[in-house]
Amino acid sequence: EPEVTQTPSHQVTQMGQEVILRCVPISNHLYFYWYRQILGQKVEFLVSFYNNEISEKSEIFDDQFSVERPDGSNFTLKIRSTKLEDSAMYFCASSGFSGNPYEQYFGPGTRLTVT
Amino acid sequence: AQTVTQSQPEMSVQEAETVTLSCTYDTSESDYYLFWYKQPPSRQMILVIRQEAYKQQNATENRFSVNFQKAAKSFSLKISDSQLGDAAMYFCAYRGIYGGATNKLIFGTGTLLAVQP
Repeated sequence: EPEVTQTPSHQVTQMGQEVILRCVPISNHLYFYWYRQILGQKVEFLVSFYNNEISEKSEIFDDQFSVERPDGSNFTLKIRSTKLEDSAMYFCASSGFSGNPYEQYFGPGTRLTVT
Repeated sequence: AQTVTQSQPEMSVQEAETVTLSCTYDTSESDYYLFWYKQPPSRQMILVIRQEAYKQQNATENRFSVNFQKAAKSFSLKISDSQLGDAAMYFCAYRGIYGGATNKLIFGTGTLLAVQP
């Protein structure tokens, strides 16, 4: 069964550094998402992406964040200058027209630790 | 704005027994989707069950079923014959449909389910 993959599984970085989190969505999907979950808290929406542009973003998704689909298979989340409060689990998700178009398939997540 | 509320931070059930997790939501939309996701210690998000608001029949997936009360905006999850592998955090989530497939999921705060042997 096709699945969403994310790399790395765990990233440790120093405050102020740039990080790029990578996702490979399911191949025929067209809609892509990033969510964040701070430890012990609920999952929060960051951004949705369709047709090579951002469809919607939350208040969390400020100028420090950016997303890109550089090559038709990867979907990346970049944090330009990480802060301690960016430490969280980051989930990528995708959805498409196969199966249920409103069902989002989640990747296993990347745990980001900012020190 | 839509909100999702899970009022039970933690629940416990004996193996083989039945447990019900509660979820309420608030929306002004008439059509939407509701989901229950399971998050085991690995933190992977696993879809358990989905309910379309326009369907009156409650969704069922093997040992998992929902009680969807649209007027009351309530969406509870019933787990029958609980197994040790059911122990996890369970999140209720809402998704509108009027924005098309780009609509985000809105999650509740989760219920941590423990299964006692």
